[in-house]
Amino acid sequence: DQQVKQNSPSLSVQEGRISILNCDYTNSMFDYFLWYKKYPAEGPTFLISISSIKDKNEDGRFTVFLNKSAKHLSLHIVPSQPGDSAVYFCAASIQGGSEKLVFGKGTKLTVNP
Amino acid sequence: EAGVVQSPRYKIIEKKQPVAFWCNPISGHNTLYWYLQNLGQGPELLIRYENEEAVDDSQLPKDRFSAERLKGVDSTLKIQPAELGDSAVYLCASSLGNDLYNEQFFGPGTRLTVL
Repeated sequence: DQQVKQNSPSLSVQEGRISILNCDYTNSMFDYFLWYKKYPAEGPTFLISISSIKDKNEDGRFTVFLNKSAKHLSLHIVPSQPGDSAVYFCAASIQGGSEKLVFGKGTKLTVNP
Repeated sequence: EAGVVQSPRYKIIEKKQPVAFWCNPISGHNTLYWYLQNLGQGPELLIRYENEEAVDDSQLPKDRFSAERLKGVDSTLKIQPAELGDSAVYLCASSLGNDLYNEQFFGPGTRLTVL
């Protein structure tokens, strides 16, 4: 039973446009959500996070939105750059990030020049 | 600051052979995690250490997998004997672990191929 779902295996956007990656979760106990970026042959790299007490967190070109009632979060990248091409994983945890992270399957983002 | 170090990066073995992976976490990080990542999937936790204590090993297949974190720093994950289905990437991660909302930092992983 997948508790964190990323239903789009891939996404392709033009450089300079907005990339929107979506994630749904089923466990209402999750209170901390993270996005990781992964390049080939490297480990996942932390990108941005949000706690359940917020509905938005912004860091430069990256913004994460959380809709608790819908159990949905999204990552917006504006403007998208070719270097953003990677696999993006959504992850969730209970009681903060020090507990185990439950990951989605990932979405492969391709930003075309 | 050095990141999480893992070795080897790649390992090819025949089934029924033993294999071991090593992880050196970021200095000062008390919490260490081993994750398994199958192709096309997200990482899944195998075991979590707080210092030298394994506090969550519920997902570790204990019949063939074992792990240790002597002295609460480096860690080793072992598989004996390996099976074909163990082919995957084994990721080590670490975090400060003292407060809530600590992100986990991942190493590059060890890609295991069992023939």
